[in-house]
Amino acid sequence: GNSVTQMEGPVTLSEEAFLTINCTYTATGYPSLFWYVQYPGEGLQLLLKATKADDKGSNKGFEATYRKETTSFHLEKGSVQVSDSAVYFCALSSTGAGSYQLTFGKGTKLSVIP
Amino acid sequence: EAGVAQSPRYKIIEKRQSVAFWCNPISGHATLYWYQQILGQGPKLLIQFQNNGVVDDSQLPKDRFSAERLKGVDSTLKIQPAKLEDSAVYLCASSPPVETGGADTQYFGPGTRLTVL
Repeated sequence: GNSVTQMEGPVTLSEEAFLTINCTYTATGYPSLFWYVQYPGEGLQLLLKATKADDKGSNKGFEATYRKETTSFHLEKGSVQVSDSAVYFCALSSTGAGSYQLTFGKGTKLSVIP
Repeated sequence: EAGVAQSPRYKIIEKRQSVAFWCNPISGHATLYWYQQILGQGPKLLIQFQNNGVVDDSQLPKDRFSAERLKGVDSTLKIQPAKLEDSAVYLCASSPPVETGGADTQYFGPGTRLTVL
C-alpha cells in the first residue's frame, strides 16, 4: 500500500536559519506529492504540490522537488521566520476506482524562535 | 472564492451523547471528504463522497458514525453514541472536478475540535 514517512519532530530553529524537512514515500504508479501546513487551531492549508518527476513546487519561499529515483519530496526554505511555526504534513495523492485519495505522513512540528 | 466551511468549530460532549458536524464545500467541488485527526497524528480518511454517492467508507466506524450528502453539496457527519477515543479534530475537504485537472488536490476547512468527556 501507499505510505509517507517524514522526519520526526519537533524541529526548533532560530529565525533566518535554513529549513529541511525530509519526506519519502512508497506508492504504485505516479502519485502527485503535496506539502500541507497546519497552524495552531486551524485546518490544513495547501503549501505546494508537484505532479511529476523533477517538478519543483514552490510557495511563500518554500520549495520541494519530486525525486522519483529516491522517492523523496523534501521541503526546504532558505530563511525561516517566526510566522512559519506550524506543523507540516507531506502527502501523496493516489487514484483508485477513478477517485483520488491522500495518504499523509505523521507531521513535523516546526518551532522558530526569534 | 469562499473556502470550505465547517461548523461548529468546537464541541464538548459527554460520552454516550450524540453530535453532528456540518460541512459546506467549495462551490463546484463534486468530491467531499471527512477526516479524523487525532492529536499529534496526520488526518485519517473516514469517508469520501462523489456528488451524493459514497466512494469509500471503509474506515468509517459504522456502528457509531454516519455521514450523508443528500443534495450533493453540504454534508453532515454524526457520531452516536460518542466514546472518549472520538476526541479529535474532524476535518472536511473538497476537491475540484476531474475535468479541471486539479482533482488530485484537496482543500480543507478549519475543522471541528471535538472533546468527549
